[in-house]
Amino acid sequence: AQSVTQLDSQVPVFEEAPVELRCNYSSSVSVYLFWYVQYPNQGLQLLLKYLSGSTLVKGINGFEAEFNKSQTSFHLRKPSVHISDTAEYFCAVSDSGGGADGLTFGKGTHLIIQP
Amino acid sequence: ETGVTQSPTHLIKTRGQQVTLRCSSQSGHNTVSWYQQALGQGPQFIFQYYREEENGRGNFPPRFSGLQFPNYSSELNVNALELDDSALYLCASSLAGTIYNEQFFGPGTRLTVL
Repeated sequence: AQSVTQLDSQVPVFEEAPVELRCNYSSSVSVYLFWYVQYPNQGLQLLLKYLSGSTLVKGINGFEAEFNKSQTSFHLRKPSVHISDTAEYFCAVSDSGGGADGLTFGKGTHLIIQP
Repeated sequence: ETGVTQSPTHLIKTRGQQVTLRCSSQSGHNTVSWYQQALGQGPQFIFQYYREEENGRGNFPPRFSGLQFPNYSSELNVNALELDDSALYLCASSLAGTIYNEQFFGPGTRLTVL
């Protein structure tokens, strides 16, 4: 069985400062890893995904994440945040590309950007 | 390209009732997955439909059931509603057969059970 742990339920950051949102996973097989963003009263939007290849993955809105197999981590980073980045961020894992077993999500991290 | 749509947006039911939620998949997609997101939690996988049949299921009881229609739209039915069924229900569509069938999510239906 897979699981995802997002270590911080809430992360306050000042505008234009860097941010890292932490994600650790457990799985007995090779995995695909994802970060989704959820704005208030909206569905989930894919920020980036790791399927294979380079461990540094770049996504939309200036976000990037690094896959670390030895530490089973997939932390999300942005060098300079904007007020519009305020949202809930979810890390997710799949061993079948979001297929018949679906995606397993963490509990989410609320990113709060302070002016 | 039309995105994933869900109806209704909000719904209030009482314990013991039955509910049907609807989802129209993104143009060109043939697979639909349903997720339950309780308040303050991440989404949990309920099940997936492909070619009008259930293709995979998470840890949800049989009173959660679904349908997929020939146009790939889908319904989620929940019988004998319980208070804990109050949640945001998300539908995601994807195209099976690609290396990774990326899931595109709809805005969700907020279900409140009183």
